[in-house]
Amino acid sequence: KAGVTQTPRYLIKTRGQQVTLSCSPISGHRSVSWYQQTPGQGLQFLFEYFSETQRNKGNFPGRFSGRQFSNSRSEMNVSTLELGDSALYLCASSTGQGAWDTEAFFGQGTRLTVV
Amino acid sequence: KNEVEQSPQNLTAQEGEFITINCSYSVGISALHWLQQHPGGGIVSLFMLSSGKKKHGRLIATINIQEKHSSLHITASHPRDSAVYICAVALYNTDKLIFGTGTRLQVFP
Repeated sequence: KAGVTQTPRYLIKTRGQQVTLSCSPISGHRSVSWYQQTPGQGLQFLFEYFSETQRNKGNFPGRFSGRQFSNSRSEMNVSTLELGDSALYLCASSTGQGAWDTEAFFGQGTRLTVV
Repeated sequence: KNEVEQSPQNLTAQEGEFITINCSYSVGISALHWLQQHPGGGIVSLFMLSSGKKKHGRLIATINIQEKHSSLHITASHPRDSAVYICAVALYNTDKLIFGTGTRLQVFP
């Protein structure tokens, strides 16, 4: 069974640009959640989707957005990139309605560098 | 003060030692999770707890809801246990997650 797949693995963008990250959950998983990890702030919850609906959102500015498609694949978008957006972006999938109702499985992450 | 505090921040051990990592929280929770993150970023979910104790191999996790405290124990530690261990709590009624800052464990042979 394939794990959670995130693409791309590495990305370098310039300040002011926008970026789209992709997450393909494990087959059969309908819940996808996104996290930002930085050395200074650690892991922070971004948002959570179940059946194409956003269930929860963390405390991030509106520049951070996401969506989930009917096949459960999810994308997150960051517009008007800032240097502080440089981070490891992780997604996780699970079978439960809530991201953490059941065991969550993480992807390897996308490392975004903003220059 | 952070809502989820972990201690210690860094831990060094010799192979075979018994390890304890602590997590204290100040909010109402529906569950607490322990995660393991290896160099390179991959995260593995170790335990989900809402009460009592769980055991998986050499790993044991306990939670005391009244004291708002959880511990992760590793018996007979091994160099492959070297990783960052992260405690995360799911807030009661919202299921939003708050993460601790992690404990970096290094086990030497």
